[in-house]
Amino acid sequence: KAGVTQTPRYLIKTRGQQVTLSCSPISGHRSVSWYQQTPGQGLQFLFEYFSETQRNKGNFPGRFSGRQFSNSRSEMNVSTLELGDSALYLCASSSGADTDTDTQYFGPGTRLTVL
Amino acid sequence: QKEVEQNSGPLSVPEGAIASLNCTYSDRVSQSFFWYRQYSGKSPELIMSIYSNGDKEDGRFTAQLNKASQYVSLLIRDSQPSDSATYLCAVNDNAGNMLTFGGGTRLMVKP
Repeated sequence: KAGVTQTPRYLIKTRGQQVTLSCSPISGHRSVSWYQQTPGQGLQFLFEYFSETQRNKGNFPGRFSGRQFSNSRSEMNVSTLELGDSALYLCASSSGADTDTDTQYFGPGTRLTVL
Repeated sequence: QKEVEQNSGPLSVPEGAIASLNCTYSDRVSQSFFWYRQYSGKSPELIMSIYSNGDKEDGRFTAQLNKASQYVSLLIRDSQPSDSATYLCAVNDNAGNMLTFGGGTRLMVKP
């Protein structure tokens, strides 16, 4: 099976702009979770989508949003970019069927740099 | 506020030795526990998952879970230089797929 794919792999934006990142999960997986990784804060959960519905949300401002399509592909959007949004954005895919034992597999990430 | 704590390291071990990585968590309702390995500049790669108290072995890796002590560990036997990476402990409380990560332990295996 193909793994989780994320596009683009690298992005450079300026403050105030917005950005959209894309994630395609492993075939058959219905849950997609997004994480932000920075040197200072580590890996932090942004949100999870399952069957096109947001099932969980982390403690991030409303500038961070996402959605999931009927084919389970997901996008996340960050509006009004700030310098502190520079990070590695990781998408993780899982079956979503049983949260007791569900396992998340990460994509390669999108490296976002805000200037 | 759920917390997952790891010693940041670096933990330095000689090649062939056993590396022991530890993790504690604050939320007693946590049910699923994971160890990920992350090489510099790469994304996290799943090594082990563990759900029940006790030991779980997979090749050179053994995960140990003690829910009463809120403690999970990872042992790497016969450590190799290629094991040099940051090891992330992650916990899920089964409210959905919302992992809480520790800060990671940097492991260095010296030839």
